[in-house]
Amino acid sequence: EAGVTQFPSHSVIEKGQTVTLRCDPISGHDNLYWYRRVMGKEIKFLLHFVKESKQDESGMPNNRFLAERTGGTYSTLKVQPAELEDSGVYFCASSQQWAGGPYEQYFGPGTRLTVT
Amino acid sequence: AQSVTQLGSHVSVSEGALVLLRCNYSSSVPPYLFWYVQYPNQGLQLLLKYTSAATLVKGINGFEAEFKKSETSFHLTKPSAHMSDAAEYFCAVSDRGSSGDKLTFGTGTRLAVRP
Repeated sequence: EAGVTQFPSHSVIEKGQTVTLRCDPISGHDNLYWYRRVMGKEIKFLLHFVKESKQDESGMPNNRFLAERTGGTYSTLKVQPAELEDSGVYFCASSQQWAGGPYEQYFGPGTRLTVT
Repeated sequence: AQSVTQLGSHVSVSEGALVLLRCNYSSSVPPYLFWYVQYPNQGLQLLLKYTSAATLVKGINGFEAEFKKSETSFHLTKPSAHMSDAAEYFCAVSDRGSSGDKLTFGTGTRLAVRP
């Protein structure tokens, strides 16, 4: 069984540019989460999808971040325009549908984003 | 609001020595608690989880953790460190709310194992 995959593994962009991160969850996992770790700090929750619906987006920093999960399969996280403080490692995780859980969240390797 | 505190951003032990990584949590409701490990260039891997059953939880690779409600702690231990245990370890607490199991993480502890 394939694990959670993320693309790209690294991205270096200039301030003001746009970047799109992609996450492919484990097949059949309805829950998809995005997290971010800024250097030296804790991993922080960004948002949670159940299938194609945004269940909780309370962790999204601002409206420069847009997440989508069309068809309830893969998800994209777009940052537009990117700022220096957006640099960090973006993790995606997926789990089976919550039903009093917790089901284990399986994490991808992350995308390291550097904004210069 | 939930929070997790991991004491010690870096811990160094000798091979064969006891590993103790500390985690204290704050939660307004009975929590779910987790330890994850991240090896270089890999994603986070679940070591073990506490879900209100036994307070002593055994995980993979010989690790275990004990939930102590009175101390609001969930420290991770391993009796004898191996070189392959060198990695970064994260303690996390889960929100049991209807929004699902989003995780709140500590800042992580990097474990070094000396030969």
